[in-house]
Amino acid sequence: QQQVKQSPQSLIVQKGGISIINCAYENTAFDYFPWYQQFPGKGPALLIAIRPDVSEKKEGRFTISFNKSAKQFSLHIMDSQPGDSATYFCAASIGQESGATNKLIFGTGTLLAVQP
Amino acid sequence: KAGVTQTPRYLIKTRGQQVTLSCSPISGHRSVSWYQQTPGQGLQFLFEYFSETQRNKGNFPGRFSGRQFSNSRSEMNVSTLELGDSALYLCASSLMAATDTQYFGPGTRLTVL
Repeated sequence: QQQVKQSPQSLIVQKGGISIINCAYENTAFDYFPWYQQFPGKGPALLIAIRPDVSEKKEGRFTISFNKSAKQFSLHIMDSQPGDSATYFCAASIGQESGATNKLIFGTGTLLAVQP
Repeated sequence: KAGVTQTPRYLIKTRGQQVTLSCSPISGHRSVSWYQQTPGQGLQFLFEYFSETQRNKGNFPGRFSGRQFSNSRSEMNVSTLELGDSALYLCASSLMAATDTQYFGPGTRLTVL
């Protein structure tokens, strides 16, 4: 119940296309859903995050769509560029008013390759 | 401002040895979390420290331990190393709360021979 399932495992998109990565969870106590981008030799970096009280959040070319009833959320990268080629991880955590913890449960990652 | 720094960046040890990894969080950040990243298991939470106290712990054996100092710097220790401990160990720091952005360091690549 603590898992976050991510798909696809890898994705090839043409430059200018839309990249879509999907995640699903079971634990309804999750209330924070970030997406991280990781380049080889680097640590993950936060791209965008969402709370379950909104269905969509957009930051530049990156959009998170959130479906609370289906317990799914997805990352859309519009106008994908070769520089977006990286591994993307979805994650989830439980935040609380007191005793809050920063334990992130990560998906298995999606290797994105954007072809020029 | 400076990011999260981890030392050393690379480490080679043999089975049975122990190792200590260090993490310096972003200035002002009080929460430090540790993650293990492997090709097979992905990113897995080890533990989190806040104000020198372990606030949460993942499902790792007792050979994995950590601590946090009063300046928020953190160390993790792995005793009696096993081949399966070979991984990238990532440290992340954040201000305080669960929804504060976690900033990851570049990691320490541990190879156990």
